Amino acid sequence: GESVGLHLPTLSVQEGDNSIINCAYSNSASDYFIWYKQESGKGPQFIIDIRSNMDKRQGQRVTVLLNKTVKHLSLQIAATQPGDSAVYFCAGYTGFQKLVFGTGTRLLVSP
Amino acid sequence: DAGVIQSPRHEVTEMGQEVTLRCKPISGHDYLFWYRQTMMRGLELLIYFNNNVPIDDSGMPEDRFSAKMPNASFSTLKIQPSEPRDSAVYFCASRFRTYNEQFFGPGTRLTVL
Repeated sequence: GESVGLHLPTLSVQEGDNSIINCAYSNSASDYFIWYKQESGKGPQFIIDIRSNMDKRQGQRVTVLLNKTVKHLSLQIAATQPGDSAVYFCAGYTGFQKLVFGTGTRLLVSP
Repeated sequence: DAGVIQSPRHEVTEMGQEVTLRCKPISGHDYLFWYRQTMMRGLELLIYFNNNVPIDDSGMPEDRFSAKMPNASFSTLKIQPSEPRDSAVYFCASRFRTYNEQFFGPGTRLTVL
């Protein structure tokens, strides 16, 4: 079926560490993926996206890696800060219109 | 642009009452989405519109839910009658064309007593 799911529900890191959040997708998911960050009481906010013709894409302190062979993508956050504490969702397009969200990973950053 | 605007931000109502949630998408966006978020089910797509036309309402839980988009700048999601299990945060999102970022509103937290 169509699904985009996450491996871990909660990730706890120390401030300054690098964080890695993982996501798996099924065969029928699209070739375009987005990572969103959701802070408490707010709507999801775009972090970074990647298309299937790419293996890696970098933003400011964030990197998304896509492994099409094992249908896996990850979000890496460098030098994690307390302000990075939030729930992170991966999402993939099914067909070309509907964005399907994973269950989310809560990132907890302790000082 | 002010982003996606939703109202009210919080709604508390009693079971059986009608609830109307409102959304103003980002100007120029041709897609509008309604999502529901709960701890148990995560973020679920309820319905989406393209150029004000409903395209897929397969996520609408039952006939008590209805959504309209009378023009490009306004949409409503109505629940009638409301039930306690409808308690959730409802998000509206908009997007320009396909394969692009969806911008989310701040959400409406609905509590049905």
